[in-house]
Amino acid sequence: EPEVTQTPSHQVTQMGQEVILRCVPISNHLYFYWYRQILGQKVEFLVSFYNNEISEKSEIFDDQFSVERPDGSNFTLKIRSTKLEDSAMYFCASRARDASYEQYFGPGTRLTVT
Amino acid sequence: GESVGLHLPTLSVQEGDNSIINCAYSNSASDYFIWYKQESGKGPQFIIDIRSNMDKRQGQRVTVLLNKTVKHLSLQIAATQPGDSAVYFCAEYFTGGGNKLTFGTGTQLKVEL
Repeated sequence: EPEVTQTPSHQVTQMGQEVILRCVPISNHLYFYWYRQILGQKVEFLVSFYNNEISEKSEIFDDQFSVERPDGSNFTLKIRSTKLEDSAMYFCASRARDASYEQYFGPGTRLTVT
Repeated sequence: GESVGLHLPTLSVQEGDNSIINCAYSNSASDYFIWYKQESGKGPQFIIDIRSNMDKRQGQRVTVLLNKTVKHLSLQIAATQPGDSAVYFCAEYFTGGGNKLTFGTGTQLKVEL
């Protein structure tokens, strides 16, 4: 069964450093998302991406965040200058088409900022 | 702002019993609701969904009920098994509000042997 994959599973970085989280969505999907989950809290929407552009972003997704689909398979989330409060699980998700609302989630990347 | 929330943070049930997990939502215009299961260290996994024009939907051992009058959603798990132990999230989707899912805070289901 096709699945969303994410790398790395765990990323440790120092405050102020740049990180890139990588995702490979399901191959025939058209919509891509990043969510984050701070430990013990609910999953929060960050950004959605469709047709090679951001379709929506939350207030969390400030100028320090960016997304890119550099080729036909990868979808990345970049944080330019990490802060302690960026420590969280970051989930990538993808969705097939307009008629289907179901989003398939990857296993997540745990980001720890020290 | 609009939000989706859960009544109980932790639910403990005996193996074989039925479980009921509840969720309240505040956006009456939401079109679509999903229940996700999240096991420790993993991403949310789709369990079952329901559209706003339905009251009930059944899957394998799971049933979702939607009461739009009181904006309440529930997940019923029949004959709960140890493998059902996880955090369960409800999420809502509003087509007029963009592409995102809005998640509730989660309920930890613990199945006791």
